[in-house]
Amino acid sequence: DGGITQSPKYLFRKEGQNVTLSCEQNLNHDAMYWYRQDPGQGLRLIYYSQIVNDFQKGDIAEGYSVSREKKESFPLTVTSAQKNPTAFYLCASSSGEYNEQFFGPGTRLTVL
Amino acid sequence: GQNIDQPTEMTATEGAIVQINCTYQTSGFNGLFWYQQHAGEAPTFLSYNVLDGLEEKGRFSSFLSRSKGYSYLLLKELQMKDSASYLCAVLDSNYQLIWGAGTKLIIKP
Repeated sequence: DGGITQSPKYLFRKEGQNVTLSCEQNLNHDAMYWYRQDPGQGLRLIYYSQIVNDFQKGDIAEGYSVSREKKESFPLTVTSAQKNPTAFYLCASSSGEYNEQFFGPGTRLTVL
Repeated sequence: GQNIDQPTEMTATEGAIVQINCTYQTSGFNGLFWYQQHAGEAPTFLSYNVLDGLEEKGRFSSFLSRSKGYSYLLLKELQMKDSASYLCAVLDSNYQLIWGAGTKLIIKP
């Protein structure tokens, strides 16, 4: 059963701590994406990766980092440099630019 | 700058028809997507339009006019489960998806 998994669904961290959000897909998709969604706003692109070992900054990359060592995995680290990290984080993948993106269930991060 | 506009919220009655509009101004155009997102969940794909005209898929249809920078999503025979946010997204010249803020659709019995 193919899909995208994100864990955990809810995550709490203290201010000043780095935290890594996982994203795994078994759809054999080349492209993967990380978005942030805040209430009343559209999805904003943090980072994306078109192939393994390569990734590009999106519109709001500051305070975040990623890696793409395997095709199936695209973890996102929220660093202490991110000024307002509390948000809903969505990971997605696609087989090409013209193709729809499939989303994971999301991780809701709350920084206390 | 790039901009996508959708109404913030709409209300409709179960069994009725509703049209959700989306207007866009982007750097180039390589297609427009509609997604459905239930509260607290991930978006799910509904439709993709790249040529002008109407695409019908069951109870849902999507229309595109590239010259007007305009699209709409038409939902027929509304059901309570259609209560969700509907997101419009445009693939720009750099093949990046630009997302609207979404339209929250409330269905009343």
